[in-house]
Amino acid sequence: DTGVSQNPRHKITKRGQNVTFRCDPISEHNRLYWYRQTLGQGPEFLTYFQNEAQLEKSRLLSDRFSAERPKGSFSTLEIQRTEQGDSAMYLCASSSGIPYGYTFGSGTRLTVV
Amino acid sequence: AQSVTQLDSQVPVFEEAPVELRCNYSSSVSVYLFWYVQYPNQGLQLLLKYLSGSTLVESINGFEAEFNKSQTSFHLRKPSVHISDTAEYFCAVSLKTSYDKVIFGPGTSLSVIP
Repeated sequence: DTGVSQNPRHKITKRGQNVTFRCDPISEHNRLYWYRQTLGQGPEFLTYFQNEAQLEKSRLLSDRFSAERPKGSFSTLEIQRTEQGDSAMYLCASSSGIPYGYTFGSGTRLTVV
Repeated sequence: AQSVTQLDSQVPVFEEAPVELRCNYSSSVSVYLFWYVQYPNQGLQLLLKYLSGSTLVESINGFEAEFNKSQTSFHLRKPSVHISDTAEYFCAVSLKTSYDKVIFGPGTSLSVIP
């Protein structure tokens, strides 16, 4: 197993553009999570999937953010009309359930200029 | 809602000295507790976890943490640190009644000085 894979590793975009990130979880894991991490802070919960169902979305997430997990496999996170405040590391994690902990990917670093 | 506090944002310590990284949480219900570590230029990794049973849990690389329910704490300790322990350490909590969301603290940067 190659672990959790995230693409791209880095993304630089102009303000107002749309961006999409992809996460490929560990195949046996039915739970998938998106977090956002800014410098000097811990990961901040964004959203959570169990199989293909999106079960929770953070109230901090504006309508510009959307996530999908078609067929319960890979997931995409899209940010529309990016703003400079969206600049952060976007982390994906997968799990078989809380007692087993999360396996994190290396993240996608977004820079909005 | 649950929350996690890590009082020390940075902890410098000399090699082979002991270290304690403090973590306190707030929750009205029972929780699972975790420590994750992020080495420079690497992703987050699970270091150790408390689910139930013995309040003292250990990792494979010599760290240990003790769950203290009365003080709502889960401090991380190591009796003798190595240069390779230099990393960012995150305490995290999940409600036993929730379906899986983990809330992370702000992190403590451990710097081991040779």
